[in-house]
Amino acid sequence: LAKTTQPISMDSYEGQEVNITCSHNNIATNDYITWYQQFPSQGPRFIIQGYKTKVTNEVASLFIPADRKSSTLSLPRVSLSDTAVYYCLTISSGSARQLTFGSGTQLTVLP
Amino acid sequence: DADVTQTPRNRITKTGKRIMLECSQTKGHDRMYWYRQDPGLGLRLIYYSFDVKDINKGEISDGYSVSRQAQAKFSLSLESAIPNQTALYFCATSDFTGGAEDTQYFGPGTRLTVL
Repeated sequence: LAKTTQPISMDSYEGQEVNITCSHNNIATNDYITWYQQFPSQGPRFIIQGYKTKVTNEVASLFIPADRKSSTLSLPRVSLSDTAVYYCLTISSGSARQLTFGSGTQLTVLP
Repeated sequence: DADVTQTPRNRITKTGKRIMLECSQTKGHDRMYWYRQDPGLGLRLIYYSFDVKDINKGEISDGYSVSRQAQAKFSLSLESAIPNQTALYFCATSDFTGGAEDTQYFGPGTRLTVL
C-alpha cells in the first residue's frame, strides 16, 4: 500500500494558480492517484483522478510524471472558496482495494 | 452529499459504553466504508464492505465492529468506548466499475466524544 506525503499547508492569493504536490514513492503499478477536497465540518469531496500523464476536468488538472512517484494537483485561478484541505491518495485497481488518505494539505486563499 | 446520511451527527458518551453509528445511502452503491478523522492525521480506514456478505478490516479496526444489514446500510459499533476513540467518523460509498472510476461519496460525519 502506497504511502502519500504532502505539504502540511500552503497559502495563495485570489486569482493565482496553485499547485499541490504529493509524493507516493512506492506506488504500485496498478494504483490510481486520486485527490479529494474537504471543507470544515463536511466529508471529503472527489476532485480528480488519474493514472499517468495529465488529466483535466472542469475544476482542476492532475499532472503525473512518467515515474509516477509524485503527482501535482493544479487549481487554476483560485478563489476564497477554494480554502480547504486537499488530500491525495492512491487506490489499487484490484478487487481488494486498500485506501488510506494522507494527512492532507491546508490551502488558504487570501484576498 | 445528501445521498449518504449518518446518524447521529453528534454524540457524547462515557468510557465503557456501547455505541453504534449508522450510515444509510440511496446511491445504490455496493461498497461502503467507515473512516475516522483525527486532527493532523487525515482519514484512516476502519472497515469496508464490498457487498452485503463481505466485510474487511481496514488500517485501524481494533476496538470497532461493523454490520452490513443491507446494501444501503452499514453500521459501526464501539463495543466499549474509550477516550482515544474521540474523533470525527465518516461513512462513504463507492460503485466499483472494474476500472479507474471508484469515486467515494462521503456522508456529513459523526462527531463522537468519549469522556
